[in-house]
Amino acid sequence: EPEVTQTPSHQVTQMGQEVILRCVPISNHLYFYWYRQILGQKVEFLVSFYNNEISEKSEIFDDQFSVERPDGSNFTLKIRSTKLEDSAMYFCASRSGVTSTDTQYFGPGTRLTVL
Amino acid sequence: GEDVEQSLFLSVREGDSSVINCTYTDSSSTYLYWYKQEPGAGLQLLTYIFSNMDMKQDQRLTVLLNKKDKHLSLRIADTQTGDSAIYFCAESIWGLTGGGNKLTFGTGTQLKVEL
Repeated sequence: EPEVTQTPSHQVTQMGQEVILRCVPISNHLYFYWYRQILGQKVEFLVSFYNNEISEKSEIFDDQFSVERPDGSNFTLKIRSTKLEDSAMYFCASRSGVTSTDTQYFGPGTRLTVL
Repeated sequence: GEDVEQSLFLSVREGDSSVINCTYTDSSSTYLYWYKQEPGAGLQLLTYIFSNMDMKQDQRLTVLLNKKDKHLSLRIADTQTGDSAIYFCAESIWGLTGGGNKLTFGTGTQLKVEL
């Protein structure tokens, strides 16, 4: 069964460093998402992406964040200058977008630890 | 704005039924979902219900939707130790932002199944 994959599973970085989290959505899916979950808290929407542009973003997704689909398979989330409060589990999701009933499928997540 | 609330903990004995409740505020929600998260793992879609439905059954899972009270529940029949996990309800409004269809998650309910 097709699945969303994410790499790395765990990323440790120093405050102020740039990180890139990678996702490979399910092939032929058209809509892509990033969510994050700070330890013990809700899963929060960050951004949705369709047709090579951002379709919606949350207040969390400020200028430090960017997303890109550099080729036909990868979908990346970049954090330019990480802060301690960026430590969280980051989930990528995709959906086909063919019908209104299709659902989002989530990857296993990348745990980002900012020291 | 959207807000989704759940009780934090539920403890049941193996073989009993579990009922996990969720309330949401956005009356324009189109779809409501239940996701399962096992320790250290990603979000697994369990089931979903369209807002014009009252009930959906899928094997051991029964979803009930009271749209008037904005209340959603997930019943797990014959609960097993393997059902121990965090259960998230989520809502989406399809088509609101060009098909972005972001998910708004609840706080999650930790289900503990005891022998």
